[in-house]
Amino acid sequence: DGGITQSPKYLFRKEGQNVTLSCEQNLNHDAMYWYRQDPGQGLRLIYYSQIVNDFQKGDIAEGYSVSREKKESFPLTVTSAQKNPTAFYLCASRTGTGNTDTQYFGPGTRLTVL
Amino acid sequence: QQQVKQSPQSLIVQKGGISIINCAYENTAFDYFPWYQQFPGKGPALLIAIRPDVSEKKEGRFTISFNKSAKQFSLHIMDSQPGDSATYFCAASAETSGSRLTFGEGTQLTVNP
Repeated sequence: DGGITQSPKYLFRKEGQNVTLSCEQNLNHDAMYWYRQDPGQGLRLIYYSQIVNDFQKGDIAEGYSVSREKKESFPLTVTSAQKNPTAFYLCASRTGTGNTDTQYFGPGTRLTVL
Repeated sequence: QQQVKQSPQSLIVQKGGISIINCAYENTAFDYFPWYQQFPGKGPALLIAIRPDVSEKKEGRFTISFNKSAKQFSLHIMDSQPGDSATYFCAASAETSGSRLTFGEGTQLTVNP
């Protein structure tokens, strides 16, 4: 059963704490992405990785960090430096290297800062 | 330059009607325009996509119309059904920017029975 899994589905964090969101894919995709979704703002790119051990900042990378040690995994850490972290976080992976290749999304993690 | 503007923010249509969502862009390097559908609590899924070498693409009840000179494209849902109620996002990407997608703000569609 192939696909993208994100865990946990819901996550609560106290202010000042770092938290890591998991993203795993068994689709053998090279490229992976993290987006943040807020009401009325669409999806905004946080970080992306086109190959293992390499990643690039997206449009809103401040306060976030990532790693890509394995092809299957692309965890996102929301640090205490992120001022407004409450949001719905989506991970995606892509079938190929061309810009027309489909991005497939995981089910998302809803992070709430208490 | 990188923005994609989407309208309306919300749309209510009666069952059997036509739903129309519009998007506009500025970056002339964009050469791929997908539409994603998202149900509550789920990740978006690709619905249909178009490249600028054609003016229209149809898949079932879903049609993309593309106007290159106006830098606009739209999604038409014919015979709208309650099951189509979801949030729709347009997006765009350019070969020169690799794999990055720029998304519109989203349209929440409600189809009343």
